[in-house]
Amino acid sequence: AQSVTQLGSHVSVSEGALVLLRCNYSSSVPPYLFWYVQYPNQGLQLLLKYTSAATLVKGINGFEAEFKKSETSFHLTKPSAHMSDAAEYFCAVIPSGAGSYQLTFGKGTKLSVIP
Amino acid sequence: DTEVTQTPKHLVMGMTNKKSLKCEQHMGHRAMYWYKQKAKKPPELMFVYSYEKLSINESVPSRFSPECPNSSLLNLHLHALQPEDSALYLCASSQDRADGANTEAFFGQGTRLTVV
Repeated sequence: AQSVTQLGSHVSVSEGALVLLRCNYSSSVPPYLFWYVQYPNQGLQLLLKYTSAATLVKGINGFEAEFKKSETSFHLTKPSAHMSDAAEYFCAVIPSGAGSYQLTFGKGTKLSVIP
Repeated sequence: DTEVTQTPKHLVMGMTNKKSLKCEQHMGHRAMYWYKQKAKKPPELMFVYSYEKLSINESVPSRFSPECPNSSLLNLHLHALQPEDSALYLCASSQDRADGANTEAFFGQGTRLTVV
């Protein structure tokens, strides 16, 4: 089954520093990939998605992710962390050609931002 | 309107109670979902409705009973729950197109359920 692996269950960065959250997928065929953010006691909000168009995907709140087939990766970055970025981030995958019900989440990475 | 609205936001219920969670979307999506999320875990799929018909039940206990009255509404009826059922229950919807475009799911804010 298609899956994603998020490296690091907890990442801490200083305010203003680069944010890098790692996600690797397991598939020989490029799937559809997503990053969601979840603030405490809230639902999931879509940050960005990759659906085989541009490999560099820009999302909301200054986040972007680059699809690298050779590395089977879809890492999430933001040049300068803000206190409001502190949240749980989930990478998710849908196999190419599959329906949305096959959305599979990684285990999540909690981002802490230190003032 | 890209919102999925869930009510109530919080619910405390006893193990003998019957309650319902409600979800509504007006994006014209024809697929709707219930997920369960325990603390520090990713969401787990419970049910999928496609065109108002139950298409997937991920071996969920019968004390959880989903209902899709129309294309905009999704309910989850709860009866005789256990304390271990306490969790955040998330509703989501999508266009359910398997062509790459618009495959993303939109999530509601969730209902925080506590079973006492």
